[in-house]
Amino acid sequence: GAGVSQSPRYKVAKRGQDVALRCDPISGHVSLFWYQQALGQGPEFLTYFQNEAQLDKSGLPSDRFFAERPEGSVSTLKIQRTQQEDSAVYLCASSLDLRLAGNTGELFFGEGSRLTVL
Amino acid sequence: GNSVTQMEGPVTLSEEAFLTINCTYTATGYPSLFWYVQYPGEGLQLLLKATKADDKGSNKGFEATYRKETTSFHLEKGSVQVSDSAVYFCALMKPGGSYIPTFGRGTSLIVHP
Repeated sequence: GAGVSQSPRYKVAKRGQDVALRCDPISGHVSLFWYQQALGQGPEFLTYFQNEAQLDKSGLPSDRFFAERPEGSVSTLKIQRTQQEDSAVYLCASSLDLRLAGNTGELFFGEGSRLTVL
Repeated sequence: GNSVTQMEGPVTLSEEAFLTINCTYTATGYPSLFWYVQYPGEGLQLLLKATKADDKGSNKGFEATYRKETTSFHLEKGSVQVSDSAVYFCALMKPGGSYIPTFGRGTSLIVHP
């Protein structure tokens, strides 16, 4: 597709369940970001990929959170043993290589995956 | 570390009113500054940007000027429309740094007819 696609759009999980959220970035976009957005807050950084390499995962809140991008395209954010505090919208964004001179720095966002943990 | 502070919302205006949404930042050096907009039910999209001091970004009647001396990037529009109702996010990125954009908490704008 033309834009960043995320699935599922909505996920309800029982506490303790594992969930997997998928992001399909714009074709050719090297940089991929995951953000967490709590209700009424701005996006908070979770992790960043350059192609298949995970360059920064300093924002992942605990070792229950894991992200991968094995072929440098589609990415999956996995949350194990979900807790109520994990309830949020998870945003994926992609970009051309931000390290290249002249890159505008624009991120292209998907519509997000809203996770509700009961 | 880098941070962005936005005025709290919601901002409620009548159609054709003047809009200002304040944004200040903390960062070393010369970050690039952005405003993103999120319309109801949609993802964030870039509204405008500025990459160096005194640059003015503009789009769809919105403007923001990069003020290094006051570390600010306030968003303005001379005459808002109902269709401008959305959440607006200020953001910064440090080229040559971590390349990880940092966002403010967002300011909701509600425009009444």
